[in-house]
Parts: sequence; structure tokens; C-alpha cells
Amino acid sequence: EAGVTQFPSHSVIEKGQTVTLRCDPISGHDNLYWYRRVMGKEIKFLLHFVKESKQDESGMPNNRFLAERTGGTYSTLKVQPAELEDSGVYFCASRPRTGRNTEAFFGQGTRLTVV
Amino acid sequence: AQSVTQLDSHVSVSEGTPVLLRCNYSSSYSPSLFWYVQHPNKGLQLLLKYTSAATLVKGINGFEAEFKKSETSFHLTKPSAHMRDAAEYFCVVSVGSGGYNKLIFGAGTRLAVHP
Repeated sequence: EAGVTQFPSHSVIEKGQTVTLRCDPISGHDNLYWYRRVMGKEIKFLLHFVKESKQDESGMPNNRFLAERTGGTYSTLKVQPAELEDSGVYFCASRPRTGRNTEAFFGQGTRLTVV
Repeated sequence: AQSVTQLDSHVSVSEGTPVLLRCNYSSSYSPSLFWYVQHPNKGLQLLLKYTSAATLVKGINGFEAEFKKSETSFHLTKPSAHMRDAAEYFCVVSVGSGGYNKLIFGAGTRLAVHP
């Protein structure tokens, strides 16, 4: 069974440019999450999809961030325009069902560097 | 609000000696707690989880954790460290109910293992 896959693994862009991160969850997992770790800080929740619907986007930093999950399969996270403080590692995770006890499976992350 | 606090940002041990990574939680009800590990350039991997079935939880690679309600702790231990255990470890609590559910991470503990 394939795990959670994220593309690209690394991205270096200039301030003001646009970047799109992609996450392919484990097949059949309705729940998809985005997290971010800024250097030296904690891993922070960004948002949660259940199928194609945004269940909770309380962690999205501002309106420069846009997440989509068309058809309830893969998800994209677009940053437009990127700022220096957006640099960090973006993790995606999926869960087969909602529930406090359910394990989340994480991708390897996308390391975003804004210069 | 539910949260976890990892008491040490860095822990250094010698190979073959015990490992103790400390985590305290804050929760108004019985929590679901996890330990995840991240090796360099790898994704987050589940070590073990507590879901109220048993207070002593055994995980992969010889790790275990004990849930102590009286101390609000969920410390991670291993009797004998290996070089391959060098990684960053995260204590995580699952919060929410029903369809609204997400993981909240501690700040992480970086474990160094010396020969």
C-alpha cells in the first residue's frame, strides 16, 4: 500500500512568486490534513479536509494560502504571493476515518524556502 | 484547551543506556495520545498510541510509554538506546470530537545517541 506522497520534496522560490504543493493521501482516506513547521518552531495545524470539504481551516495563516481537494482525492496548497516567513516544512497527513484514536499517516514533507 | 508539553528540547544518551523523553498533557477528559518519530529527511512515523485500553503502551523498536493520569504524563522510554534511535520525537494529543478532529503537537525532543 502506497503511503502519503508529497510533491515536490523541496522548492526554492523568490518572494512574491507562487508555489503549489501537492499531497496524495492513502487511497480511501477521507481525512486529509496540512501542517507546517517553521524553522525552530512547533508543527502547527493548518487545515483539515473531509473528502472534498474543508472541515476546519482555523490554522491557515492568511488569505495568501489556498487549499483545495477536488474530488476528495489529492490536495493542493497554494501560496500566492509567497513571503519570507512562509519558509518551512509543509506536512500532509491522512486518516482513514475521523476519531480521536485514529492514527494519522504523514508524508515526508515539502521543504519550502522563500528567498 | 488540550495541549502537550515536552519538557526537554534535547536529550543526549550513550548507546546502551536507557532513554527517557518526557511529555505532560493538559486535557479536560481522557485524552488520546501518540508518540511520533522523525528521522532525518524522513516523514513522521507513529511509534505508539494511548487510547485508554491499557496504561502501559508498547510501540515499535522497543519503545514504550506509560499513561499516568495522576501526573498527567505520557513519558516515552526505552531500556537501551541504539545509534539508530537518534531522531526527533513528538508527543501528540488528538483533540476534537465527531468530524472535527486534529492532532496537536508538542515542540519535539531531539535525541542524540553517542557511541
